[in-house]
Amino acid sequence: SQQGEEDPQALSIQEGENATMNCSYKTSINNLQWYRQNSGRGLVHLILIRSNEREKHSGRLRVTLDTSKKSSSLLITASRAADTASYFCASNSNSGYALNFGKGTSLLVTP
Amino acid sequence: DTGVSQNPRHKITKRGQNVTFRCDPISEHNRLYWYRQTLGQGPEFLTYFQNEAQLEKSRLLSDRFSAERPKGSFSTLEIQRTEQGDSAMYLCASSFGQGGDEKLFFGSGTQLSVL
Repeated sequence: SQQGEEDPQALSIQEGENATMNCSYKTSINNLQWYRQNSGRGLVHLILIRSNEREKHSGRLRVTLDTSKKSSSLLITASRAADTASYFCASNSNSGYALNFGKGTSLLVTP
Repeated sequence: DTGVSQNPRHKITKRGQNVTFRCDPISEHNRLYWYRQTLGQGPEFLTYFQNEAQLEKSRLLSDRFSAERPKGSFSTLEIQRTEQGDSAMYLCASSFGQGGDEKLFFGSGTQLSVL
């Protein structure tokens, strides 16, 4: 079963704008991760935030985590056409090994 | 290239045939995962190995599916008596860790089409 649900399903913005994607999950987690997938390719890890962290930054990425609401957000600042991809949140529950992914947000950045 | 390698990249088969996919993880990684992904969906967990031991299997993994990881190195995923519903991208990922914070490294996947 899929643990997370991303919102929106699709997002279209222009270069230079910020993109915000949200993720909700169902069970208690150890950490939450965000991955990126270009069309027809495998997923690439972007950033991990632990359950005891509230915010984390990596370059143009900013991730927040609200465990009381079971939600996370990914902000990409100053977007570029090369950021066009699908973005997935993923988490593992306290009881399992598997990393469970949401359905993803498809981001289109136009020049 | 020291990334996760999957072969073949594409597989077209007729319904009822058996297919086998191979995954070569990053050499020092002790954990290996198989996922299935259909168009417009996120990856769905199938099974997980720590070294050569298969520690977790999803209910998605019917008895037509079998996975092995002999000697804790490469892994194979076999689908017997394929059905059209098996058409999907099969992704392999590996990681190294003893805790729960490791990130997964994915291969480019094997795209299966069952006619």
